[in-house]
Amino acid sequence: DAGVIQSPRHEVTEMGQEVTLRCKPISGHDYLFWYRQTMMRGLELLIYFNNNVPIDDSGMPEDRFSAKMPNASFSTLKIQPSEPRDSAVYFCASSLGGNPVDTQYFGPGTRLTVL
Amino acid sequence: KQEVTQIPAALSVPEGENLVLNCSFTDSAIYNLQWFRQDPGKGLTSLLLIQSSQREQTSGRLNASLDKSSGRSTLYIAASQPGDSATYLCAVINTGRRALTFGSGTRLQVQP
Repeated sequence: DAGVIQSPRHEVTEMGQEVTLRCKPISGHDYLFWYRQTMMRGLELLIYFNNNVPIDDSGMPEDRFSAKMPNASFSTLKIQPSEPRDSAVYFCASSLGGNPVDTQYFGPGTRLTVL
Repeated sequence: KQEVTQIPAALSVPEGENLVLNCSFTDSAIYNLQWFRQDPGKGLTSLLLIQSSQREQTSGRLNASLDKSSGRSTLYIAASQPGDSATYLCAVINTGRRALTFGSGTRLQVQP
């Protein structure tokens, strides 16, 4: 398996522009997570899905952020409009369901720079 | 709210030394604890996962322990190598939740 795939790997945009980050989870995984990593706040959860349904979006900073999972093999994280403080590395991760909770596998991340 | 703390923030050791990284968490109601490695500019690689009912897990030169009642975990690295240089992150999943809560990491440098 290719692992979790994210695109683009790097994104540079100007303030006010719309940004869309993409993620393909590992095939067969029921859970998909979006995390954000910054120097100030470290790694923190934005939102996660179970079987394509958003379960916990308490980490989404504000209405400028939205995430969708239209099918089991694709998810997007959209920022509109983007601001310089959104600059960070955004990671997507996936895991199997079941009990006990399984290992989360991370993608390589998207480094976002908002000028 | 769960808080995860890692000490020390940075560590530099000579090659061959055995070392211990520490992780503590405030809420002991966890499903599991996971240790990750992150290389500069790269994603996270899972090293070890310890279920809440387990006391330790081992993989090669790595051994992770968990004391859930005291809210502590340690990652022991034996015979360190320059290739072990990276940031090591500890993360927990709380009961009733699926997302990870991360510590701020320990940046390890192993000198040849």
